[in-house]
Amino acid sequence: RKEVEQDPGPFNVPEGATVAFNCTYSNSASQSFFWYRQDCRKEPKLLMSVYSSGNEDGRFTAQLNRASQYISLLIRDSKLSDSATYLCVVNPSGGSYIPTFGRGTSLIVHP
Amino acid sequence: ETGVTQTPRHLVMGMTNKKSLKCEQHLGHNAMYWYKQSAKKPLELMFVYSLEERVENNSVPSRFSPECPNSSHLFLHLHTLQPEDSALYLCASSHVRGSLGNEQFFGPGTRLTVL
Repeated sequence: RKEVEQDPGPFNVPEGATVAFNCTYSNSASQSFFWYRQDCRKEPKLLMSVYSSGNEDGRFTAQLNRASQYISLLIRDSKLSDSATYLCVVNPSGGSYIPTFGRGTSLIVHP
Repeated sequence: ETGVTQTPRHLVMGMTNKKSLKCEQHLGHNAMYWYKQSAKKPLELMFVYSLEERVENNSVPSRFSPECPNSSHLFLHLHTLQPEDSALYLCASSHVRGSLGNEQFFGPGTRLTVL
């Protein structure tokens, strides 16, 4: 099992749709989790951290399920500008600060 | 502006050239990273420096040589590269604080083409 797995997509959705991505991780002791967004030919940018209690930032909601070892990202009311690749990032435990990036999930929002 | 800058933004070089990529972070972080991203491929971690000491080297060929003179600056020295080394080279920085947080902030990258 890969350390961090994501469905590469692409997820092709119309404007206004709700879309959700999952990301599974193999190390049950992982401590911190993030979602990044990467636009074509640009650098990844931090979208949001994922807390145990879940967190919401506008149209974006992130959840952590430690029992099943996955994190999720929900995007409501999709905009054309949400089209990008969404990267899941997992930080291991034990004081390591070297994160593991997933391969990313591609989202295409069309008119 | 992410607080992490990289120069040059674009570089074209021949296989016999020697060039260097530069990264600078203005965020007060104490760890810096080099990543390679080839077209339509995931990020590949190349090097990690924490407190100016190299702590990770993911079996990167010796034609790539990193240098970290202080916690704000990171270089990647390139020599006798191959065409397959053409990629986007991304620098990132983070604050090392155990296993919590450690969000990485990326520079805009250097798009390298090796002829």
